[in-house]
Amino acid sequence: DAKTTQPPSMDCAEGRAANLPCNHSTISGNEYVYWYRQIHSQGPQYIIHGLKNNETNEMASLIITEDRKSSTLILPHATLRDTAVYYCIAPEAYSTLTFGKGTMLLVSP
Amino acid sequence: NAGVTQTPKFRILKIGQSMTLQCTQDMNHNYMYWYRQDPGMGLKLIYYSVGAGITDKGEVPNGYNVSRSTTEDFPLRLELAAPSQTSVYFCASTRTGQYTEAFFGQGTRLTVV
Repeated sequence: DAKTTQPPSMDCAEGRAANLPCNHSTISGNEYVYWYRQIHSQGPQYIIHGLKNNETNEMASLIITEDRKSSTLILPHATLRDTAVYYCIAPEAYSTLTFGKGTMLLVSP
Repeated sequence: NAGVTQTPKFRILKIGQSMTLQCTQDMNHNYMYWYRQDPGMGLKLIYYSVGAGITDKGEVPNGYNVSRSTTEDFPLRLELAAPSQTSVYFCASTRTGQYTEAFFGQGTRLTVV
């Protein structure tokens, strides 16, 4: 897996956009970037993934830089329920999924 | 659609006891995984399976055993429980090994005293 680096924690005000960064400078050309989140005591939940182009779904947007060395997960209107640990992962194809410590996002009223 | 189901949700074991953590998925996924998560840490892979009859070790397999007799079920066995195995255990599945969306169970919180 490409090594990913995320800040240990971030704060966001409710209703504002939460922008979570991830560095993956050693990513190879065929490795996707995946984002998961884990709400306290629950199993991780898939959010979004991408290869080169920006992606958007009902949960979030993923912006990947042109050189693919970093990406940003955007929660456009954060709510209190978005408080969670967010994991950025870049697994090799046909390898297992490895989770680091992620970013603890705290959304406050 | 149940997804990935783990039982039990909570368990307290005494040192030296054994138990089986159950995991079943109803999505016909080929790949299944067991992770453990210690407080404040990320998930560590214990064992995984790429299909019925095939299992392989992950990062922290010592003290655990698995089997995969069917596509649906992937039980995790602790033979001689130790305090170091106190953790939250998560089971997950994916459709293929070309990394697709992983579905996780809700976890089993195990305490060994």
